[in-house]
Amino acid sequence: KQEVTQIPAALSVPEGENLVLNCSFTDSAIYNLQWFRQDPGKGLTSLLLIQSSQREQTSGRLNASLDKSSGRSTLYIAASQPGDSATYLCAALGGATNKLIFGTGTLLAVQP
Amino acid sequence: EAQVTQNPRYLITVTGKKLTVTCSQNMNHEYMSWYRQDPGLGLRQIYYSMNVEVTDKGDVPEGYKVSRKEKRNFPLILESPSPNQTSLYFCASSLSPEGRQPQHFGDGTRLSIL
Repeated sequence: KQEVTQIPAALSVPEGENLVLNCSFTDSAIYNLQWFRQDPGKGLTSLLLIQSSQREQTSGRLNASLDKSSGRSTLYIAASQPGDSATYLCAALGGATNKLIFGTGTLLAVQP
Repeated sequence: EAQVTQNPRYLITVTGKKLTVTCSQNMNHEYMSWYRQDPGLGLRQIYYSMNVEVTDKGDVPEGYKVSRKEKRNFPLILESPSPNQTSLYFCASSLSPEGRQPQHFGDGTRLSIL
């Protein structure tokens, strides 16, 4: 059964710092890995989707990588800003199960 | 503007009083789903729908019903709510089945069952 883990649960950094958020999954037979952002009182916003055949995806200051063999994905945020403060969730789509399994998220606070 | 709209956003009610949470999308998406989000458990899928009149159970369907009579609407029905259904609920839609393409989420409905 696929399990998705995000550590740490919370992270606080000063503005301008580059940071990495981690996501681990137990079953490497995934179809894709997705990163979402969740703001308080809002739904999830899709940030990046990495297909299983890809190693990384980039959007602006965000870069997500995928290493299926080690069961890991990272979300790199460059030059963090207070507006980046939110909860970041990753989710793995099982290749055989077609089920999207979410991690519990990392709450990021970027201090001005 | 492309969006998924849920109503109500907040609801406090009592055990056993039937309630419906509405969900509507304006993107002509075929796939829609409902999730609940609980602390420490992440998002879990309740029900999903591949198209009109086609619905199926997700991971935690007990105590819930759904219907898909129109493509744009996918209401979530709690026939006899209980306190363990107190949670934050999200509706989502996408062009293709769950996770194949990015999903669009509503802003959530916070339900409190007393």
